[in-house]
Amino acid sequence: GQNIDQPTEMTATEGAIVQINCTYQTSGFNGLFWYQQHAGEAPTFLSYNVLDGLEEKGRFSSFLSRSKGYSYLLLKELQMKDSASYLCAPRGNQAGTALIFGKGTTLSVSS
Amino acid sequence: DARVTQTPRHKVTEMGQEVTMRCQPILGHNTVFWYRQTMMQGLELLAYFRNRAPLDDSGMPKDRFSAEMPDATLATLKIQPSEPRDSAVYFCASGLVNTEAFFGQGTRLTVV
Repeated sequence: GQNIDQPTEMTATEGAIVQINCTYQTSGFNGLFWYQQHAGEAPTFLSYNVLDGLEEKGRFSSFLSRSKGYSYLLLKELQMKDSASYLCAPRGNQAGTALIFGKGTTLSVSS
Repeated sequence: DARVTQTPRHKVTEMGQEVTMRCQPILGHNTVFWYRQTMMQGLELLAYFRNRAPLDDSGMPKDRFSAEMPDATLATLKIQPSEPRDSAVYFCASGLVNTEAFFGQGTRLTVV
């Protein structure tokens, strides 16, 4: 089975930094994905972590601790367009196992 | 540019009617997923295929839902008969083994 936990909602202001946490329990583990979904649109891929540590990609970074079953997405220099839902999706250890998504964190960025 | 294409984008139908949703995966992708999204449940996996063969459809209500891949360029999700509780956005996604999945724009289904 799989259990994924994220905060339901977060708020922040433009220019700030926000960290969205995700804890998970999976049957095996083969990497963790973060997706962004704007209201009324499809989810889009943000990042993938398979090894422990921080992966940086522009204003967005993602961290993984496999031993703790924990990941976070760090968003810097927030912009209004970052208002969206952020979905955490760990993958099981069978090759090609489908992504199972958490319910997502809705981030609201205000000016 | 390469993208996953879903049709129709919107569908309103009466309870009891058959609904068919179609998906054209990105050319060359060998894995296709069907997800359903609602406010209450979030994004739920219904079924997925590898090289057109079904790998897992345990998330799908078997009595009314069916998913197929008649060929590598077409995946279908059928609901028969449809019920109001099936109202949701249905997403198709495609990818390669162990890579990210690329999502289509979804089909917003309303069953009245």
